[in-house]
Amino acid sequence: GQQLNQSPQSMFIQEGEDVSMNCTSSSIFNTWLWYKQDPGEGPVLLIALYKAGELTSNGRLTAQFGITRKDSFLNISASIPSDVGIYFCAGQLVRGSNYKLTFGKGTLLTVNP
Amino acid sequence: KAGVTQTPRYLIKTRGQQVTLSCSPISGHRSVSWYQQTPGQGLQFLFEYFSETQRNKGNFPGRFSGRQFSNSRSEMNVSTLELGDSALYLCASSSGSGASGEKLFFGSGTQLSVL
Repeated sequence: GQQLNQSPQSMFIQEGEDVSMNCTSSSIFNTWLWYKQDPGEGPVLLIALYKAGELTSNGRLTAQFGITRKDSFLNISASIPSDVGIYFCAGQLVRGSNYKLTFGKGTLLTVNP
Repeated sequence: KAGVTQTPRYLIKTRGQQVTLSCSPISGHRSVSWYQQTPGQGLQFLFEYFSETQRNKGNFPGRFSGRQFSNSRSEMNVSTLELGDSALYLCASSSGSGASGEKLFFGSGTQLSVL
C-alpha cells in the first residue's frame, strides 16, 4: 500500500525561529493535508491542498503540494510556544466512494520559550 | 455545534477480553472513520462506515469490527485483545461526500491499555 515518509521525526527550536517539515510518498495523491495534534486530543486540520504546485497559507503556516504529487511541505514562521505538538501530513487518493487518509508518522515539535 | 464525542476516554483491559468503543459524530455527518494510533506505527486506518454500511476497510485482522447505527453513531469492537492492541483509538466524522479530507473531524480518542 501507499506509504508516507515524514521528516524530521522531531524538532527542538527556539521561540521565534522558523521550522520546516516535509512528507514524501511512494505514489501520488490528489489531496495533501496537514494536521496538528495536541497532547490528549485528536488531530485538527491546519491546511488542505488540492492541486499540484498549490501553495496555501494559514496565518504563520504555509504548505505546498509538490509538483510530482508525491510530496508536500509545511513551514511555520516565527514559532511560538503554543505551536508545540505533533504535526501530521496525510495524503488522500479519491476513487469514487473509496477514499481514506494515509498519515505520516508525525513530526514532534518542541518550542523553547 | 457539538464536536465528535468518543467514550470512554480511557479503558484498561486484560488479554483475551473484548472491548467496545463508542463514537458520536457531528450532527448531520453520515460518515464515521476509525483510526488506531500508536507511537511506533502512527495513525492507521481501520474502517469507515457510511449510512450504516462499511464502505472502506484497512488492513486489520477480523478481531477488529465495527458498526454504525441509523443515527450515525458508531461502535468499534475488538475481540480477544492482545498486548499490541494498546493504542489511542480515534474516531473521525465527515459529511461522507468523500470529496476531501478537510471534512474529517476527529474526536479526542479512547486510550486503550491491554495488560
